[in-house]
Amino acid sequence: KQEVTQIPAALSVPEGENLVLNCSFTDSAIYNLQWFRQDPGKGLTSLLLIQSSQREQTSGRLNASLDKSSGRSTLYIAASQPGDSATYLCAVTFYNTDKLIFGTGTRLQVFP
Amino acid sequence: DAGVIQSPRHEVTEMGQEVTLRCKPISGHDYLFWYRQTMMRGLELLIYFNNNVPIDDSGMPEDRFSAKMPNASFSTLKIQPSEPRDSAVYFCASSHKVGFNEQFFGPGTRLTVL
Repeated sequence: KQEVTQIPAALSVPEGENLVLNCSFTDSAIYNLQWFRQDPGKGLTSLLLIQSSQREQTSGRLNASLDKSSGRSTLYIAASQPGDSATYLCAVTFYNTDKLIFGTGTRLQVFP
Repeated sequence: DAGVIQSPRHEVTEMGQEVTLRCKPISGHDYLFWYRQTMMRGLELLIYFNNNVPIDDSGMPEDRFSAKMPNASFSTLKIQPSEPRDSAVYFCASSHKVGFNEQFFGPGTRLTVL
């Protein structure tokens, strides 16, 4: 069964820390992997998309890496800010399917 | 482009009533997805369309749920009759050439069935 897992489920850090969110998936045959942000009561905002041929993508203070062989991706957030507080979701499109399979998310709180 | 548009944003109804959720995808996108999000089960794909044709509805929970896409710019998700356990946030998303491009999500419809 194709599954996506995220660890930790929740994370609380002081402002200014660099942090890493983890995502793992059960099948290395993927089209792409996408990281989303969801604020409470809001929709999903796409942060980064990594194609299967890529190793990483960067946007501002965010950097996402992809290691297909080990079935892992990490989202690195540099110099965290209270405004980064949200739930971060990882989602994978596996080969032979058009479906985006979501992890359960990591709820991040950055306190001043 | 205005992004994916969903209506209504909030819906409160009584058990047994029919509920219709609406979605307008981003122009030019040929894939449309309906998701449901709950605390217990997270984000689940209900059904998706390619070029207005339903491709996979295996996530539709039961016959009370139905979805249509009469044209490239409009889709509906209908629940009839609604039940309290259908209470959730329903998201619509669209994409171009899925597998190569990211999905864009609408703001969601928060459904409460009393």
